[in-house]
Amino acid sequence: TQLLEQSPQFLSIQEGENLTVYCNSSSVFSSLQWYRQEPGEGPVLLVTVVTGGEVKKLKRLTFQFGDARKDSSLHITAAQPGDTGLYLCAGALGGNNAGNMLTFGGGTRLMVKP
Amino acid sequence: GAGVSQSPRYKVAKRGQDVALRCDPISGHVSLFWYQQALGQGPEFLTYFQNEAQLDKSGLPSDRFFAERPEGSVSTLKIQRTQQEDSAVYLCASSLRARLDGELFFGEGSRLTVL
Repeated sequence: TQLLEQSPQFLSIQEGENLTVYCNSSSVFSSLQWYRQEPGEGPVLLVTVVTGGEVKKLKRLTFQFGDARKDSSLHITAAQPGDTGLYLCAGALGGNNAGNMLTFGGGTRLMVKP
Repeated sequence: GAGVSQSPRYKVAKRGQDVALRCDPISGHVSLFWYQQALGQGPEFLTYFQNEAQLDKSGLPSDRFFAERPEGSVSTLKIQRTQQEDSAVYLCASSLRARLDGELFFGEGSRLTVL
C-alpha cells in the first residue's frame, strides 16, 4: 500500500472538458507538492501547499489541500492537449526543522485529445 | 546549462554488467536525490546527499547499488551485476537548501534497460 494514493490512474478526455484528480492518504502532511511529468522528461513542480484548506490557482489549474492535510486535489478547467502528462503528488510528513523526505504517489496519467 | 543534467540518457546493459549513471546538479544546490521510476509509476526514493555527505540511503534496493558525491556537486549512481528488475528510469533531482521537502529540480533521467 502506497502512502499516497492517486486517482484515477488514467484519464482520457476531450479538449475543453474539466477534470479533477485526487491524492489521498491516512497520514498528515506538513506540505504537499504537485508535479507534472511529460514523456522523456523529469517532473516539474507546479505548486506547493502547506496550510490545511489552502487553495491555489495557477491559470486553469486549481489545487486544494484538505483541511486535515491528509489529501489534495487538482482541478483543471477547459483542458487542453498541452495539459497531457503524468501528474504526481508528493507529500512530506510533519516533522523536524529540516523537513521530511518527500514521498510520491503513483501518478495520474492524463491524455487530452484535440 | 542551467538545469540538472544526467548521462547517459539511455543505457542498455546485459545482465551481470556494471553500470554508472551520472548526475550534474544545478550549481550551488546543496541537496541531491536519486529516484527510481518504473514504467507508469511514481518516483521511488533511493538516496539523499547533503553536499558530499550521504545522509540517507534507505531506499537503495540492494548492496549492488552504490552512490557517491565526493566533492558535493556531481553524483554517480553505480549498479553492480545488473539484473532485469533494475530496468527503470533513474531520476536525479537537486534542491537549493539543506531540506528534505524543498522544491526538487529533476533531470531528464537515465533509462536503463537490462537484457
